[in-house]
Amino acid sequence: SAVISQKPSRDICQRGTSLTIQCQVDSQVTMMFWYRQQPGQSLTLIATANQGSEATYESGFVIDKFPISRPNLTFSTLTVSNMSPEDSSIYLCSAGTSGNTIYFGEGSWLTVV
Amino acid sequence: AQSVTQPDIHITVSEGASLELRCNYSYGATPYLFWYVQSPGQGLQLLLKYFSGDTLVQGIKGFEAEFKRSQSSFNLRKPSVHWSDAAEYFCAVTNAGGTSYGKLTFGQGTILTVHP
Repeated sequence: SAVISQKPSRDICQRGTSLTIQCQVDSQVTMMFWYRQQPGQSLTLIATANQGSEATYESGFVIDKFPISRPNLTFSTLTVSNMSPEDSSIYLCSAGTSGNTIYFGEGSWLTVV
Repeated sequence: AQSVTQPDIHITVSEGASLELRCNYSYGATPYLFWYVQSPGQGLQLLLKYFSGDTLVQGIKGFEAEFKRSQSSFNLRKPSVHWSDAAEYFCAVTNAGGTSYGKLTFGQGTILTVHP
C-alpha cells in the first residue's frame, strides 16, 4: 500500500492570499490527483497531476486558480490562488498505479476568512 | 458520463445490528469500484475494492460488498455494526483502464450513525 502525506493538515488563511499544499507519496506512482471536498459535500476531482507536464483540469477548474506541479513520481503541489471564503474546503491528494488501488492522503483542511 | 448514486444520505442503526449501504453506478465501460470511509476530521480510508473475479469482496473492519452487474450496484454490508463504524461512507467508480484510470467519480456519501 502507499502512504500519502499532505502538508499543511490545516490552515486558516486571509482572503486574497494563496496557499500551496504539498503531497508526498512513499513510493513511486504513475497517477496523482487532487480533489476538493466542500463542507458537507462529496469529493470533486480538480485535476490530474502529470509528471513533467501541465496538469489536466476538470470542467470548472482552471490553472490560474489551482496551479499544480508534479516534478517527480512521488511529489505534487496544489496552490489555491487568490482565495475567497468559497475556497474553504478539504483538499485531498490521491495516488496510485494503473490497475491498482487508489489511496488518499489525510487531506488539507483550509479555512478562508 | 459516469455517475454514482448513494440513495441514503443518512442511516441510523443500533450497535450489533446488520448494515447495508446502497450504491448504484451508471457507467458505459467496465468499472472499477471502491468503498471509502471518512471519519470526522479524517481523510479517506479504503474499505474494499472490486476490479474483477469473485463478485463478493471482503474488506477491512469486517465489511464486504457485492458487485451485481445486472443491477449496476455495489452495496456495502456488515453483519454486526460497532459504535466505531460511525462515519461517512463513499462509493466511487473509475474506468478499468486507459488514461482515465484513477479519476474517481464519487457518490454523495452516506452518513452512518450508530446508537448504543
